[in-house]
Amino acid sequence: GAVVSQHPSRVICKSGTSVKIECRSLDFQATTMFWYRQFPKQSLMLMATSNEGSKATYEQGVEKDKFLINHASLTLSTLTVTSAHPEDSSFYICSARLLPDSYGYTFGSGTRLTVV
Amino acid sequence: AQTVTQSQPEMSVQEAETVTLSCTYDTSENNYYLFWYKQPPSRQMILVIRQEAYKQQNATENRFSVNFQKAAKSFSLKISDSQLGDTAMYFCAFMVTGTASKLTFGTGTRLQVTL
Repeated sequence: GAVVSQHPSRVICKSGTSVKIECRSLDFQATTMFWYRQFPKQSLMLMATSNEGSKATYEQGVEKDKFLINHASLTLSTLTVTSAHPEDSSFYICSARLLPDSYGYTFGSGTRLTVV
Repeated sequence: AQTVTQSQPEMSVQEAETVTLSCTYDTSENNYYLFWYKQPPSRQMILVIRQEAYKQQNATENRFSVNFQKAAKSFSLKISDSQLGDTAMYFCAFMVTGTASKLTFGTGTRLQVTL
C-alpha cells in the first residue's frame, strides 16, 4: 500500500531554533501533501496544503513565515518550524492524497515536537 | 463550508460486544466521500472504512460497517465483536470529490474496549 514516511518521530529543540520535519512518499508520487497539527486529545487541524513545485496554501491563522513548507519533488515535502517557541510544541502529521479520490489519504506516523 | 460532528467524546465497550459511533455532517455538496479513521496510542492514522456518497449500499470491512443515511447526513460506524486492539480515537472525515480537496475531520470519539 501507499506509505508516507515521516521523520523524525520525536524531536526536542531549544527555544529560538528551527526544526525541519520531512515526509516522503515511498512508493507513489504525491502531488499534494497536507500538514496537520494535533493537540492532545483533540482532532487534527489542517495547517497548510503543499503542491509540488508551487507555494503552499496556508489555512487562516497559520503563520506562513513560522511554518515554512517546501514541496520540491513529487516524493518529498518538508515543514520547517522557524524560531520555535514552547507554544509550538505539538504533534505534527503529514498526509498525502491518494488517487482515485475514493482511496482518501495516507498519513505519516507523526512528529512530536517539544520546544524547551 | 463542510462541518463534521461527533457527539460522543468517549465510549466504552466490552470485548466481543458491538458498539456504534455516531457522526453527522453538513454540506451542500452532492458528490463526496466519507471516511472513518482510527488513531491508536501510536498516533498513526489508519483508514478503517470509506463510503462514496453516490452508493446507497453501506460499506463493510470485516467487523466494521457503516450506516450511511444521506438524507439525514448521518454516517455511523458499527464495530462488531470488539477487540482490545480496537481501543483508539476514531475520527469521522469528509471530502468533496473532484478537486484537490482537504479532509474535514470531526472532533473524534475515544473508544475503550474492556475485558
